[in-house]
Amino acid sequence: KAGVTQTPRYLIKTRGQQVTLSCSPISGHRSVSWYQQTPGQGLQFLFEYFSETQRNKGNFPGRFSGRQFSNSRSEMNVSTLELGDSALYLCASSLQGFTDTQYFGPGTRLTVL
Amino acid sequence: ELKVEQNPLFLSMQEGKNYTIYCNYSTTSDRLYWYRQDPGKSLESLFVLLSNGAVKQEGRLMASLDTKARLSTLHITAAVHDLSATYFCAVDKGAQKLVFGQGTRLTINP
Repeated sequence: KAGVTQTPRYLIKTRGQQVTLSCSPISGHRSVSWYQQTPGQGLQFLFEYFSETQRNKGNFPGRFSGRQFSNSRSEMNVSTLELGDSALYLCASSLQGFTDTQYFGPGTRLTVL
Repeated sequence: ELKVEQNPLFLSMQEGKNYTIYCNYSTTSDRLYWYRQDPGKSLESLFVLLSNGAVKQEGRLMASLDTKARLSTLHITAAVHDLSATYFCAVDKGAQKLVFGQGTRLTINP
């Protein structure tokens, strides 16, 4: 069974640009959640999608958005990038949500210059 | 605002010893999760605890949840080097959000 895949794995952008990250969940998983990990703020929950609907959202500004497609693949977008957006972005998939075992992708390392 | 605190943040221990990592949280919740992260790697889900008194065990790791005390513990029995990693707990506030602890960096020395 293929695991969770994230693309791209590494990304370098400059301030003010926008970026789109992609996450392909395990087949059959309908929940996809996104996380940001930085040395300063630690691990923070961004949002969770289930059956193409955003079900939960963390405390991030509106520059951070996401969506989920009918095949459960998910994308997250960050507009008007700031230096502080440099982070490892992780996505995880599960059957129904947090109460099921989550399987994490390898992450996308975003560097904003 | 929900706060989740782990202690200790750093733990160095010898193989064969037992130890416990604590996860305290500030508001009522009966859902708590434990994760492991190896250096430079992604997260791995360890335990899902969904009710007061829940106890889960996998190998040398055992997690428990006391919702009245707002406390979860991750107990390591007879530690081995392979358990060296950073361990995170996260509290689920239902239809709101997931809040993580700071992580406990565990180093197990031969």
